[in-house]
Amino acid sequence: DQQVKQNSPSLSVQEGRISILNCDYTNSMFDYFLWYKKYPAEGPTFLISISSIKDKNEDGRFTVFLNKSAKHLSLHIVPSQPGDSAVYFCRRVIAGAGSYQLTFGKGTKLSVIP
Amino acid sequence: GAVVSQHPSRVICKSGTSVKIECRSLDFQATTMFWYRQFPKQSLMLMATSNEGSKATYEQGVEKDKFLINHASLTLSTLTVTSAHPEDSSFYICSASTSGHLTDTQYFGPGTRLTVL
Repeated sequence: DQQVKQNSPSLSVQEGRISILNCDYTNSMFDYFLWYKKYPAEGPTFLISISSIKDKNEDGRFTVFLNKSAKHLSLHIVPSQPGDSAVYFCRRVIAGAGSYQLTFGKGTKLSVIP
Repeated sequence: GAVVSQHPSRVICKSGTSVKIECRSLDFQATTMFWYRQFPKQSLMLMATSNEGSKATYEQGVEKDKFLINHASLTLSTLTVTSAHPEDSSFYICSASTSGHLTDTQYFGPGTRLTVL
């Protein structure tokens, strides 16, 4: 089982507050995790990534944390803005034996309330 | 930034017909292009990976004879849904990468909404 799971289908946050989006995974190995943001009827936009040799990666308002012992990934958005309202996907890339596997979570719909 | 276009953005066809979707990298050469499909309220599912000049690699469960992929140049890949059926109705998205490494950034197209009547 190489899945990634986003257990919260939706999340509502007040503007200016922190948004925390979560992703769980199974079977640890060398992985690379990416977060994408998607608006309706559009393709996903890459946000931020982290490799499994790190615990944290920060880019502006976006920070991704990787807890390898808990097999848990989270994306923090601080401060949240109405334009952040979208569906967020976590994605896992697993490399091995000369090939790659790609799996996406089901996504979490974030609504930032003005 | 790198731009990927898809054409058409929306297509409606009759059952049994074939539909071709184009994916173009507009300002860069894409060594590898990826095709995904997304059902409503579902995640993106990788269908296949194509490298310029070679046969596409299909994910398990994806019928290669039904979803024909051609990557004839470094800027164009096409997905042809042959003998489309209503269950093929979905949102198809392509992405392009300048390398064959999936850990590198992929640039996504805007998607194509296919409706099969």
